Amino acid sequence: QSALTQPASVSGSPGQSITISCTGSRSDVGTYNLVSWYQHHPGKVPKLIIYAGTERPSGVSGRFSGSKSGNTASLTISGLQPEDEADYYCCSYAHISTFDYVVFGTGTKVTVL
Amino acid sequence: EVQLVESGGGLVQSGRSLRLSCAASGFSFDEYALHWVRQVPGKGLEWVSGITWNSGSIGYADSVKGRFIISRDNDKNILYLQMNSLTTDDTALYHCAKDVGSSGWNRFESWGQGVQVTVSS
Repeated sequence: QSALTQPASVSGSPGQSITISCTGSRSDVGTYNLVSWYQHHPGKVPKLIIYAGTERPSGVSGRFSGSKSGNTASLTISGLQPEDEADYYCCSYAHISTFDYVVFGTGTKVTVL
Repeated sequence: EVQLVESGGGLVQSGRSLRLSCAASGFSFDEYALHWVRQVPGKGLEWVSGITWNSGSIGYADSVKGRFIISRDNDKNILYLQMNSLTTDDTALYHCAKDVGSSGWNRFESWGQGVQVTVSS
């Protein structure tokens, strides 16, 4: 299983919206609506912010939203805030032959200008 | 409050074995899928292995398949990872993670702080 492809970095000014892409294949993102997204501040554990493509866990800001088109999933952060500066990882379920897998993305560093 | 506490890490020579444990509390352990995810600074997150609530389905990353064994004890509320034939590529911080549901694979809603595994050559 190869890692999902994300841009290395994305930046935006406070209040702007940014979108992070996550490109996989028909074996993972393209077939299953099971992409999750994690926010990771250095020194802390990752935080689940989106699962099942578009669902937000309780307590996660509505400024985070997920979508998918073909083999590419996307995370949009609206109304960018300084505390959104972190690393973001997508993650997809995959099923190949008789095996279940989970594959993470390469990670995207979000900088708030 | 959900708590996941990993233990069993350390410094080990290449080719040797280690067993990680993850002691869980604050939730109904036997109702949730659990996973191991590792983190190498500067290299991101890598899923290692996962196990459903009743051990009915188990998965491994290709990088550890045949060397690592995941298991769980639903009576003791402990998740395990037996790591054999360790290589320097296995050096990482290993996190235990709880899924949102009983059979999920990539919905890690709670994470332990992690335990460091360092493999020397």
